[in-house]
This record gives sequence, structure tokens and C-alpha cells, in this order.
Amino acid sequence: TQLLEQSPQFLSIQEGENLTVYCNSSSVFSSLQWYRQEPGEGPVLLVTVVTGGEVKKLKRLTFQFGDARKDSSLHITAAQPGDTGLYLCAGVLGGSRLTFGEGTQLTVNP
Amino acid sequence: GAGVSQSPRYKVAKRGQDVALRCDPISGHVSLFWYQQALGQGPEFLTYFQNEAQLDKSGLPSDRFFAERPEGSVSTLKIQRTQQEDSAVYLCASSLTPGGITDTQYFGPGTRLTVL
Repeated sequence: TQLLEQSPQFLSIQEGENLTVYCNSSSVFSSLQWYRQEPGEGPVLLVTVVTGGEVKKLKRLTFQFGDARKDSSLHITAAQPGDTGLYLCAGVLGGSRLTFGEGTQLTVNP
Repeated sequence: GAGVSQSPRYKVAKRGQDVALRCDPISGHVSLFWYQQALGQGPEFLTYFQNEAQLDKSGLPSDRFFAERPEGSVSTLKIQRTQQEDSAVYLCASSLTPGGITDTQYFGPGTRLTVL
């Protein structure tokens, strides 16, 4: 059983559309991070959220941490082909180790 | 370069062979992590070092997996008697501080291991 459930697993959309990716758990996390990974590369950190209810914006990306710190969402507005990649959420339960979700493979078609 | 580097980038091994994967973290980074990423999945934690001390090895899947960081910088992940289920990308990450809930881990490009 995966500690962090991401949905959807695959998403293929047209350029200009909006999308939301969800990351859910029954566990409470100290913090939650979102990463983007491209083929042949390691994950790159996009954002860290710490406080329940926190919302962070990074250009066209909006990240939200649930009030109970068990879930998070990533919303992309007006997606572009350059947004294509594997999006991973990762939680910190205690210490430093990251627990990752299975990932959402996003494809944005021109 | 200033980032985390890993070598080799690709490794093909016959079942039963031993392999050694190297990680060069960012200079001065205290913490070093190894993760295993199966095809189409998110990374899974293997082990964690703070300087030369291996503080957490709870993610190592069997006693065939061994990691070391003898001088607190370069780390090596060794897999003995490789099996087909060991085929995966092995990611190394480093972070500046001993750890915290907002710590940033910087990942290397990974080593893709294929066991035939």
C-alpha cells in the first residue's frame, strides 16, 4: 500500500488547458514537497509546503497543503508543452527521508 | 560542475554479478541519500548518511545491498549477486544541513541498472 496516493497517474491535455494533480494520504506530514522529473534526470524541487492550509504560487503553478497536512494539490493554469514531465509529491514524516507518491506523468500537446 | 554527479550513468550486469554505483554530492553537503526508482514509479528511500555515519538503512531491500561514505563525501552503493528485480534507476541526493522538514535535497541524474 502506497503511503502517498497520487492521481491521476497519467494526464494528456492540450496546450492552454488547466489541470489539477492530487496527492493524498492517511498520514500527517511535517512538510510536503512537489518535484518535477524529466527523462534521464533526477527530480527537481518545485516547492515545499509546511503549514496546513498553505498556498504557494510559482508562476502558473499553484500548490496547496491540506488543513490537516495529509493531502496536497498542484494546479497548473494554461499548460504549455514545456510543462511536460513526471510530477512527484513527497512527504516528510520525521527526520529527513522523503516518501514519494507514484507520480503523475503529464503530457501537454501543442 | 556544482551539482550531484553519479557514475556510471548506465550499467548492464549479468545476474549474479556485483556492481558498485558512485555518488559525488555537492561539496560541503552533510546529508546524502540513496533512492531506488523502478520504471514508472516514484523513488523509494534506501539509506541516509550524515557525514560518514549511516543513520538510516531501513530501506535497503536485502543484505545484498551495502552503502558506504567513508570520508563523509563520496558515497558508493554496492549490490552483490545482482538479480533481475534489482533493475531500476538508483538516485543519489544530497542536502546542506543535517536534516529538517524544509530541507532541500538535490538529486543526481541517477544510474540506470539493468540486470540480464
